[in-house]
Order: sequence, then C-alpha cells, then structure tokens
Amino acid sequence: ETGVTQSPTHLIKTRGQQVTLRCSSQSGHNTVSWYQQALGQGPQFIFQYYREEENGRGNFPPRFSGLQFPNYSSELNVNALELDDSALYLCASSFGQGTNEKLFFGSGTQLSVL
Amino acid sequence: DQQVKQNSPSLSVQEGRISILNCDYTNSMFDYFLWYKKYPAEGPTFLISISSIKDKNEDGRFTVFLNKSAKHLSLHIVPSQPGDSAVYFCAASARMRQTGANNLFFGTGTRLTVIP
Repeated sequence: ETGVTQSPTHLIKTRGQQVTLRCSSQSGHNTVSWYQQALGQGPQFIFQYYREEENGRGNFPPRFSGLQFPNYSSELNVNALELDDSALYLCASSFGQGTNEKLFFGSGTQLSVL
Repeated sequence: DQQVKQNSPSLSVQEGRISILNCDYTNSMFDYFLWYKKYPAEGPTFLISISSIKDKNEDGRFTVFLNKSAKHLSLHIVPSQPGDSAVYFCAASARMRQTGANNLFFGTGTRLTVIP
C-alpha cells in the first residue's frame, strides 16, 4: 500500500507567476483534500475533491483551483501568486467523505514566493 | 476566526512522565476530533481520534478525553518517550452543509519535547 506522495517537495516562484502542485492519493482512497500551512499556523482547508468534482471549499479566493483525475490523483493550481501564498501545501487523501474519516497526509510542497 | 485553539505553543516533559496537551474549540457543530503528530519535513500523521458521543478513547500510551460542555479536549501520553517529541495538532471535523465535504479545522499546534 503506497502512501500519499506530493511533488515537488520545494518550489520557488516570483510574485504574479502561476504554480501547479501534484498529489497522488493513497491506494484505495477516492477523496483528496488540500491544506495550506503558513509558518507557525495549523493547516487550513483549501478545498476537497470527490470523484473528480470539487465538493467543498474553504476561505480561499478563486485563483486557487484544482483538479482530480480518474485515478484520484490531484493538482492544486495557484494563479497570480502573492507573497502571502508562501506556505507548506499539504495534500490528504481519505476513503469517503464522512466526518469520521481519517485523513492521510503527504509530506507537502514548500512554496516560497519572492 | 480560530475555531480550534491550542494555547500552549510548547511543552517539555521528562521521559517516563505524563504529557498532557490541551485543545479548546468554539463550534458546537464539530462531531469528531482528532490528534495528529508532525515531525519536521513530514506531513501530519494521524494519532488518535474521538467521536463527540464519547468522552474517552484510549490507544496504548495515548488517551484522548473530551469534555463537550467545556468544549475542551486533551491528549495524555503515558509514559512519555523521547520519540514522542514532535508538534501535535488538535483537529475538529465538521461536514460542510451545502456539499457534505469533510472539513478539518486545525489548532496551531503544541511542540512537545520529551527530555531523556
């Protein structure tokens, strides 16, 4: 059973650029969630994908968007990068959407916006 | 608006003693609570959870207590070991009304250091 994998591990971009982060779900999981963890903070919910559809979004602007593919892997896209987007981006997978579902996290992508 | 709060950013405990990590929440709609452990350069790892219909859940050295009237939960680690040194995040789960998506709200974490 493979765990959640994310790529790249580190990324440096400049303000105004666009970035795509990738995530492979844990085997057997059909739900992917993305979280942003700023320095010194806990992870914050960006959005969740279930069966290739976005089915929940936190308090993030539309320039944060995503995709989920038939194999349940996922992408997070951020347009028009701002300095405050610098953070650790975590992908988590689960089977189903129940509130008692444990999320399994990847190691994250550390994004720095200069 | 921080709905889950961990007011102690750090905690140091002697090996073999009890570690108690605390967490408070404000939203009475939360129905499931989890603790995650995070090592540097790794993602959070699930540790233990508790449903809102229970007040205690135990798994080996780890016990989580939930006091719904006080909107407070705590994680007890007995006995503490040096390998337990990590950042511990408390999280609460709620279902988003319109979509049914499961949204975890995290606290800011407590860094536990277990001294050998």
